[in-house]
Amino acid sequence: GAGVSQSPRYKVAKRGQDVALRCDPISGHVSLFWYQQALGQGPEFLTYFQNEAQLDKSGLPSDRFFAERPEGSVSTLKIQRTQQEDSAVYLCASSFREGQETQYFGPGTRLLVL
Amino acid sequence: AQSVTQLDSQVPVFEEAPVELRCNYSSSVSVYLFWYVQYPNQGLQLLLKYLSGSTLVESINGFEAEFNKSQTSFHLRKPSVHISDTAEYFCAVRPFTGGGNKLTFGTGTQLKVEL
Repeated sequence: GAGVSQSPRYKVAKRGQDVALRCDPISGHVSLFWYQQALGQGPEFLTYFQNEAQLDKSGLPSDRFFAERPEGSVSTLKIQRTQQEDSAVYLCASSFREGQETQYFGPGTRLLVL
Repeated sequence: AQSVTQLDSQVPVFEEAPVELRCNYSSSVSVYLFWYVQYPNQGLQLLLKYLSGSTLVESINGFEAEFNKSQTSFHLRKPSVHISDTAEYFCAVRPFTGGGNKLTFGTGTQLKVEL
């Protein structure tokens, strides 16, 4: 596809359940970002990859959050033992390289934790 | 660290009227500036960006924004809005160097264009 894709688009989880969110970046894009967007708020940075290397994970809110990009393309954001405060839209973005490059966003995964 | 303030959470406007969405930022280093638009049930789309050069930047659909360094602002304007401009608009910044490539966003402004 031409754009960033994310799956699933919607996820309902019971509190305490583990979830995995997938991001397929634009082909050839080196950089990949995850953001969390709570209701009524702007997106907030979670983590950043350059190829398979996770260069910045300063935005991950707790050690229940884990992200990987083992082959430098597809990325997975995993949330263990989900809590109600994890309910948000999780956005993935990719860019061709660093510097001035534009970040292209996927449609997001809307997570609801009951 | 950077922060972005969008004071107006909602802006109602009639079709064909002008509109200005305000954005102010705070940063100890020089930044790139962006406006993203989010239509219902869609991802964020880049509307326009300021990297360097002319402080007035324009988008293909008639929006423009002017970087004002002294006032640390990057307000978004359109002289005549259309019903299809109804969406949420986010201002964002990213530092030239350091801080990685992460974007820092404002809380967004919901533009509602009415007939």
